[in-house]
Amino acid sequence: QVHLQESGPGLVMPSETLSLTCSVSGDSITNYYWGWIRQPPEKGLEWIIYMHHSGSTRYNPSLKSRLTMSMDTSKNQFTLKLSSVTAADTAVYYCARRKFDLEFDSWGQGTLVTVSS
Amino acid sequence: QSALTQPASVSGSPGQSITISCTGTSSDIGTYNFISWYQQHPGKVPKLMIFDVSHRPSGVSNRFSGSKSGNTASLTISGLQAEDEADYYCSSYTSDSTLVFGGGTKLTVL
Repeated sequence: QVHLQESGPGLVMPSETLSLTCSVSGDSITNYYWGWIRQPPEKGLEWIIYMHHSGSTRYNPSLKSRLTMSMDTSKNQFTLKLSSVTAADTAVYYCARRKFDLEFDSWGQGTLVTVSS
Repeated sequence: QSALTQPASVSGSPGQSITISCTGTSSDIGTYNFISWYQQHPGKVPKLMIFDVSHRPSGVSNRFSGSKSGNTASLTISGLQAEDEADYYCSSYTSDSTLVFGGGTKLTVL
């Protein structure tokens, strides 16, 4: 059974870059697409990005200019970077596996990232 | 990229059936069958309940079913149980090759 685990700082200063890593076990990240979804406190889900190890990537248009995603197949993990963060980027960030019908079938536990000085 | 439209809340009594709607446009739900539904209990991780409009992942109760008509997708829960009380989110692929979620619906079991 696939297991995903997010890691990274829980507090980021405004204007800096948020960086999170998702470590995967039970499946190779060379299979399927892998991505990120976030959820601001008391609000709904927002899709951020997903990527295939071949390099194929799709971005949320509203975040695209600030986003970078990379994959390290040797470590079976992938990383999200979101630059120039503001308080509006405060959210629980989930990493997830995206399967063939574009559904996210496996999710990490989520990590709360707060943007504040 | 606008969020799909869901009712903020729905409610039903145990044993009843309820339906949650998810309205999009001809650029997403109206064109593609890449429609999924997720259940999220408070403080928990979202769980995939339906994919490809009406398919259930292994382990999901057959009390959950999905459908689509025009620009609107629907999730129906039959034989409502207390454990079904949660937030539900729809998602769809779009003509921009992106994904979009609905705003979420809070289901209350009376």
